[in-house]
Amino acid sequence: QKEVEQNSGPLSVPEGAIASLNCTYSDRGSQSFFWYRQYSGKSPELIMSIYSNGDKEDGRFTAQLNKASQYVSLLIRDSQPSDSATYLCAGVGGGSNYKLTFGKGTLLTVNP
Amino acid sequence: DGGITQSPKYLFRKEGQNVTLSCEQNLNHDAMYWYRQDPGQGLRLIYYSQIVNDFQKGDIAEGYSVSREKKESFPLTVTSAQKNPTAFYLCASKESSGQLNYGYTFGSGTRLTVV
Repeated sequence: QKEVEQNSGPLSVPEGAIASLNCTYSDRGSQSFFWYRQYSGKSPELIMSIYSNGDKEDGRFTAQLNKASQYVSLLIRDSQPSDSATYLCAGVGGGSNYKLTFGKGTLLTVNP
Repeated sequence: DGGITQSPKYLFRKEGQNVTLSCEQNLNHDAMYWYRQDPGQGLRLIYYSQIVNDFQKGDIAEGYSVSREKKESFPLTVTSAQKNPTAFYLCASKESSGQLNYGYTFGSGTRLTVV
């Protein structure tokens, strides 16, 4: 069973701090990873994608991928109360059928 | 504007009743997916389709059926065989099943409740 595991949380950080969200995956053939943000009662929204080892930055968000350790992370700098949401990590496995496997999500609360 | 439309937003099902959830996209995407989300369970794949007139079972297909007669449409039927259908159902699409660095675009979801 190919799995994506996220630190269960919930995670609480003060406004302006760095929030660190982590994810591990079991399928060594996984090639691309995605971070989605999901507000309560809403559908997931794609915020970052990464498929090469190293860091990828987009505004206040940095995704990190380490394929040797099978580890993906998302850093949110200068956290804002509007960042409070559940963050879902997802990976696409090897093979010809493209389908994402999602972790259970980490609830982040940013306190003003 | 292009996007994915799911309807209805809320749906109530009686015991023993089949219901169909609609998913329509105007993004010209090839691949479409149905996920179920339960509290604390993350998203679990029900069915997916990479091309018209073809679809595959996901991890939790029992009690569900789908069709893909048109590129734009991928309806999901929740049958009476699905014993615990209360959940948030999400439809998603992707531009090309061969592009690994593209994520999904999600619809706004349908919340199904058994009454």
